[in-house]
Amino acid sequence: DQQVKQNSPSLSVQEGRISILNCDYTNSMFDYFLWYKKYPAEGPTFLISISSIKDKNEDGRFTVFLNKSAKHLSLHIVPSQPGDSAVYFCAASESSGAGSYQLTFGKGTKLSVIP
Amino acid sequence: DSGVTQTPKHLITATGQRVTLRCSPRSGDLSVYWYQQSLDQGLQFLIQYYNGEERAKGNILERFSAQQFPDLHSELNLSSLELGDSALYFCASSGVKGYTFGSGTRLTVV
Repeated sequence: DQQVKQNSPSLSVQEGRISILNCDYTNSMFDYFLWYKKYPAEGPTFLISISSIKDKNEDGRFTVFLNKSAKHLSLHIVPSQPGDSAVYFCAASESSGAGSYQLTFGKGTKLSVIP
Repeated sequence: DSGVTQTPKHLITATGQRVTLRCSPRSGDLSVYWYQQSLDQGLQFLIQYYNGEERAKGNILERFSAQQFPDLHSELNLSSLELGDSALYFCASSGVKGYTFGSGTRLTVV
């Protein structure tokens, strides 16, 4: 049973517009959520995270929104740039610390930003 | 550069064989994690070590094993390899600087 779901395998967006990537989770014990970006032949790179005590976290062009009651989070990228084209993974953890914890990943959404 | 080093980058081997993947964590990180990414799948957690001790186990097959050495590097051993074991294997480490991944080892079983 998948505990973290990214239901859109792919997404295409015009350069300059907003990209919205969605993620749903089922495990109510998750209290820390992360987004990773992955280019081919590279490891996942941390993008942004959010703790369950918040509903929004912003870092430059990237904003993550968390709706705990719906067990849903989303990543907004605005404005989208061609260099944002990559696979985006949503991940969740039961620990919000920077110490020792395992991540449960979704299957990823491939974002293509069209110039 | 994430600071996590994985070797080799690519590995091609035959069914039934045994391979060892190596991971050196980022300096200062005590935890090492192994993940598997198969085709069209997200990253599946396999196993975690913390300062030499096994901390958590995920969906790791009995044919697979791992260990973390006193210098904190880790090895993932995959034996009796099957075609379905072909995947990207990622190592990650974590500590006070957060969680970071290596660039992975691509294993192809033929």
